[in-house]
Amino acid sequence: EPEVTQTPSHQVTQMGQEVILRCVPISNHLYFYWYRQILGQKVEFLVSFYNNEISEKSEIFDDQFSVERPDGSNFTLKIRSTKLEDSAMYFCASSPDRDYGYTFGSGTRLTVV
Amino acid sequence: KNEVEQSPQNLTAQEGEFITINCSYSVGISALHWLQQHPGGGIVSLFMLSSGKKKHGRLIATINIQEKHSSLHITASHPRDSAVYICAVVRSQGNLIFGKGTKLSVKP
Repeated sequence: EPEVTQTPSHQVTQMGQEVILRCVPISNHLYFYWYRQILGQKVEFLVSFYNNEISEKSEIFDDQFSVERPDGSNFTLKIRSTKLEDSAMYFCASSPDRDYGYTFGSGTRLTVV
Repeated sequence: KNEVEQSPQNLTAQEGEFITINCSYSVGISALHWLQQHPGGGIVSLFMLSSGKKKHGRLIATINIQEKHSSLHITASHPRDSAVYICAVVRSQGNLIFGKGTKLSVKP
C-alpha cells in the first residue's frame, strides 16, 4: 500500500537553529498538509498546500515557518530560529482530493533543547 | 470552546466488550474522519464518512449530520485495539480539526 514517508523520524536541535522536516507524499496525491502535536495535546493544523502554493494556513503558521515542494516529490517544512515550544511531533499528510481520505506519515519528533 | 468534543476521554474495557466512542462538533463540515493513534505516535485513518454508516471488520462508524454527532463502535474488543481514537472533522478547505482523542485500553 502506498505510504507517506517522513524523515528524519527524530531530530534534536539547539534553540535558535533552523530545521527542515521532509516528507514524500503519495505520488498521485495533489493536496499536502502539515500538522503538529505537542506532547499530551491534540493534533493541530499548520498548513495546506495545493498546486504549488499554500491554500490555507493556521495562526500557528507564522513567519517562522515555510513550506516548499522543491522537486515535485518532496514536501518540506522549514522552521527558522527554533524555540523550545516548537518541540512536537510533526505529521505530513497527503490526499488525492479534498473530499477523499488522508494518508498520514509516521511523523517527525522534533526536540528543541 | 473546542469545536470537536469527544467522550469519554479515557475508556477501559474487558476483552470482548462492545465499545462506543462519541464525537460532537459545532462547525460546518464536509466529512468526518475517525483515526487511530498508537503509542509510537503514528496516525492511521480508519474511516472517512459524510453520511450514514460504514463498517470495516469489527469497526463501525456512524454519523448524524443534522445532530452534528458521530460514533465509533468496536465489537468484540481485543487488547490489540488499545490505542487513542481521534475524531477529526474536514473543513471546506480540506484541512482537519481534531478532537482531543479517546484513550482506549482493552484488558485481557
